[in-house]
Amino acid sequence: DGGITQSPKYLFRKEGQNVTLSCEQNLNHDAMYWYRQDPGQGLRLIYYSQIVNDFQKGDIAEGYSVSREKKESFPLTVTSAQKNPTAFYLCASSPSPGFAATEAFFGQGTRLTVV
Amino acid sequence: GQNIDQPTEMTATEGAIVQINCTYQTSGFNGLFWYQQHAGEAPTFLSYNVLDGLEEKGRFSSFLSRSKGYSYLLLKELQMKDSASYLCAAISGGYQKVTFGTGTKLQVIP
Repeated sequence: DGGITQSPKYLFRKEGQNVTLSCEQNLNHDAMYWYRQDPGQGLRLIYYSQIVNDFQKGDIAEGYSVSREKKESFPLTVTSAQKNPTAFYLCASSPSPGFAATEAFFGQGTRLTVV
Repeated sequence: GQNIDQPTEMTATEGAIVQINCTYQTSGFNGLFWYQQHAGEAPTFLSYNVLDGLEEKGRFSSFLSRSKGYSYLLLKELQMKDSASYLCAAISGGYQKVTFGTGTKLQVIP
């Protein structure tokens, strides 16, 4: 079955450590996105990639980094520079550049907690 | 700038009808969509409105007024499983910019 997979579902990190969140899709989608969700706030865009080997900063990119070496993979690294990393992280993909709402898929999310 | 407003929480009774409102202010507006999200899970697509008017899909309907910057999601014959957050989002700038609202947490009670 085609879909988008995030792993792990729960992740704990010690303060000062970098951590990488995985996002893999087998939908052959060109575009992939990373969002952060906090209580009382809407989804906020961290980074997006419209094509392999290219990515752009979103609204809250500071303290995060990404790579897009393969079409199916868009890992997100939360660095120690991110001051408030505890949040629910959602990855999404869309068939073509631009967020096609009717055809976009979200992963199940990763809940990151800094301890 | 981009701004979307929707109520934080709502409560409704099983079997009833509930309307969740959303107002938006965006430049280069292209369309508005609604997602349902159960706690700790992925958002799932409900509807997408581009033109003014009402789109009906089973128990769920969505309305858009572009001139008023207003949308609503109507849920009929509420079921307990409809308890979830409902996210309103506007897409603009040639489909490159998506702005999400904070979500409305709906609680359905017996």
